Amino acid sequence: DTEVTQTPKHLVMGMTNKKSLKCEQHMGHRAMYWYKQKAKKPPELMFVYSYEKLSINESVPSRFSPECPNSSLLNLHLHALQPEDSALYLCASSPFTTGHYGYTFGSGTRLTVV
Amino acid sequence: DAKTTQPPSMDCAEGRAANLPCNHSTISGNEYVYWYRQIHSQGPQYIIHGLKNNETNEMASLIITEDRKSSTLILPHATLRDTAVYYCIVWSAGNNRKLIWGLGTSLAVNP
Repeated sequence: DTEVTQTPKHLVMGMTNKKSLKCEQHMGHRAMYWYKQKAKKPPELMFVYSYEKLSINESVPSRFSPECPNSSLLNLHLHALQPEDSALYLCASSPFTTGHYGYTFGSGTRLTVV
Repeated sequence: DAKTTQPPSMDCAEGRAANLPCNHSTISGNEYVYWYRQIHSQGPQYIIHGLKNNETNEMASLIITEDRKSSTLILPHATLRDTAVYYCIVWSAGNNRKLIWGLGTSLAVNP
């Protein structure tokens, strides 16, 4: 299995809702990442997990809460989001946090906040 | 801040070689050049990377100038499925192991 699977593919949520994005990989990668991508822009790094521990938080607002329950799963919990948080949320993994071996990205969750 | 500069868009005829340039004039000695592409509404896909030497794999070739200030990604026989945004990226362990993304080149392969 050489894929990163993200669910759901699309999500519409209100500003008072709580929702979660899920990411799963079975390649044995020990580094996992959350990125946010706005239209016609490159992906922006949000969080990095290394060996199930949060190693980088790119000053992301607390309404985004990551979680890494085990080496194969990565969640992003969403609460009280704003319309400007609407974007494509991408999960990625790599064998090590060095990233030297290349990242494998999922297809993303298209989030719309209304 | 982005460390790479790419043309915003390019066109290529199907079956011809697509040559995508990237300027990274401030690259450091321990920084690698990575190329990813993103087909519409999909996640980015790794293509190739290199440090100093030219590299080739089943998808593409990467030509890095001797002074390492620029590089060219070559898709030898472009197909319609190669239509995508191509990102030239600088990476090193010294950048907190982060990919430093440029703005990308939108490549249109035309029949």
